[in-house]
Amino acid sequence: SQELEQSPQSLIVQEGKNLTINCTSSKTLYGLYWYKQKYGEGLIFLMMLQKGGEEKSHEKITAKLDEKKQQSSLHITASQPSHAGIYLCGADRGRTGGGADGLTFGKGTHLIIQP
Amino acid sequence: EAQVTQNPRYLITVTGKKLTVTCSQNMNHEYMSWYRQDPGLGLRQIYYSMNVEVTDKGDVPEGYKVSRKEKRNFPLILESPSPNQTSLYFCASSPGADRVSGYTFGSGTRLTVV
Repeated sequence: SQELEQSPQSLIVQEGKNLTINCTSSKTLYGLYWYKQKYGEGLIFLMMLQKGGEEKSHEKITAKLDEKKQQSSLHITASQPSHAGIYLCGADRGRTGGGADGLTFGKGTHLIIQP
Repeated sequence: EAQVTQNPRYLITVTGKKLTVTCSQNMNHEYMSWYRQDPGLGLRQIYYSMNVEVTDKGDVPEGYKVSRKEKRNFPLILESPSPNQTSLYFCASSPGADRVSGYTFGSGTRLTVV
């Protein structure tokens, strides 16, 4: 089965600094999703990557999928307190194709922003 | 507002007392899934459904049942809950072909079995 390894597990960053979170897959990624979760709350969809070398941005968050489609990174520029939370990468389980069978997730990266 | 609605948000129950957690989506989505989230273990899939009357097991299906009789609803049933099913549960739905918009998650149900 596919496994997603996220690093680091936790991250404390001073407000205004940049940061990067990585997600590495044991198998080729056919769809890679990034979510944000506030503690104990639901997951908020950030973006989805499909093609090798693809890069997407939303506000100050940029996600990339490498050419080999086995690693993705999430980069936050000029971090703010609102960026604090748990960041999760998820991948299409790929058993039936097309994302029908849901996602498998990494264990998450806990991000704390220090004022 | 497009959303996935789970009920209840919080539930404390006793071992062996059957319960149902409801999940409803108003986006006409094809795909739906249930997950549980536990400290140190992350999010794990319980069951998923590709369409009405089509369901299959995820990674941790033991002790759970689901049904998909209507497109919008995907209830999670615990026939005889046990303390190891104490967890935070999430329901999610996806339009299917348009995977770019991702899965939409409900707000979660925090279940405690004593």
